[in-house]
This record gives sequence, C-alpha cells and structure tokens, in this order.
Amino acid sequence: RKEVEQDPGPFNVPEGATVAFNCTYSNSASQSFFWYRQDCRKEPKLLMSVYSSGNEDGRFTAQLNRASQYISLLIRDSKLSDSATYLCVVNKVGYKLSFGAGTTVTVRA
Amino acid sequence: GAGVSQSPRYKVAKRGQDVALRCDPISGHVSLFWYQQALGQGPEFLTYFQNEAQLDKSGLPSDRFFAERPEGSVSTLKIQRTQQEDSAVYLCASSLDGNNQPQHFGDGTRLSIL
Repeated sequence: RKEVEQDPGPFNVPEGATVAFNCTYSNSASQSFFWYRQDCRKEPKLLMSVYSSGNEDGRFTAQLNRASQYISLLIRDSKLSDSATYLCVVNKVGYKLSFGAGTTVTVRA
Repeated sequence: GAGVSQSPRYKVAKRGQDVALRCDPISGHVSLFWYQQALGQGPEFLTYFQNEAQLDKSGLPSDRFFAERPEGSVSTLKIQRTQQEDSAVYLCASSLDGNNQPQHFGDGTRLSIL
C-alpha cells in the first residue's frame, strides 16, 4: 500500500465551480501536511500547508482529519489558471516527504 | 534568481554512459533533497543533505547513484552506467531546516536514456 493515496481524477469543472478532493495517508505518526501544485512539465510548487484546525488561503481551503487520516483540498470559484495536478504531501518524520501521485484538475471555460 | 536552480534542464544519454546533474539551492538553505519523478507519479525521495553531510540516502535505487554536496551548497547527483529505467525527472529541493519545513523545488532535469 502506498503511503499517500489520491484519486487521480481528472476532475473536469466549469469556471466558477467548486471542486474538492481528498487524499489518505497510511502513517498515523505523520507530522506535517502540505498541498503542492504541479503544472505540466514544471516543478512542484507549495500551495499551502495544512493545519489541524483547517486553514484557508483565498479560494483554497484545506482540512486535516487525523482520526481518519485524510486531507482535503477545496477550490472555490475555480479559474482556468487552477488547472494543474495537485500533489498531497505528508511529512512523517522530520524531513522525509511522501508524495501522492497527484489529482488532476481541469477547469474549462 | 532566488529559487532553486538545476542544470541541465534536459539530458539525453546513451545506455551505459555516466551523467551528472547539478543543483544550486536557495542561498542559506541548510537542507537539500533529491527526488526522482516518473511519468504520472509523484516525486520519490532519493537522498537528503544537511549542510555537507548526507544524512539519508535510503532512497537511492542502486549503487550506481551517488550524490554529494562537498561545501554544503551546490549538490551533484551522479548516475553511473545509466540504464533505461533511470529515465525520469530528477528534482532538487531545499529548505531552511529539514524538519517539518516546506521544501522549495527546482525546475528539474529531464533525463532520457536511449
């Protein structure tokens, strides 16, 4: 079983729609959680950290459920520029990051 | 620039050749990481440096892979006697401090072994 599992999608949504997706992680000792965004043939870029209480950054909301070991990302009022692959990232011990395979989101006009 | 810089951006090599990939981390970042990303997958951890010390090389797939960071800044990932399965994007990342800190990635080197 992979350490971090994500629905690969793709999620195809119209502009202005809300899209949400989850990832699950296997190691209950995981300490830190992040969402990264990766555009085609580009490097992963940090989108946001995920905190236990949930956090928001503009149109993006992240939630962490430690009991069920899942992390979610919600994108409101989606823009064409939100089209990308979203990587769920879990830091289980100190420095070592485990990445999911990514969820692809395509926003259409 | 202020970001992580990797070179070359693309590398094509024949099977059996040796290759060297370079990473310039963000200035002042203590921690440096190498990842391998296959098509359609997330990055997989290869190795970790704190300053010049290689603290973890558990992700290196074989003894053909070698990484160094002799002065605690620039790092080189070397692959000897390349094989077709080594074809992937090799990403370098750095962070201020390795523990529980976000990592900032370079553009990667896209390696193709013919």
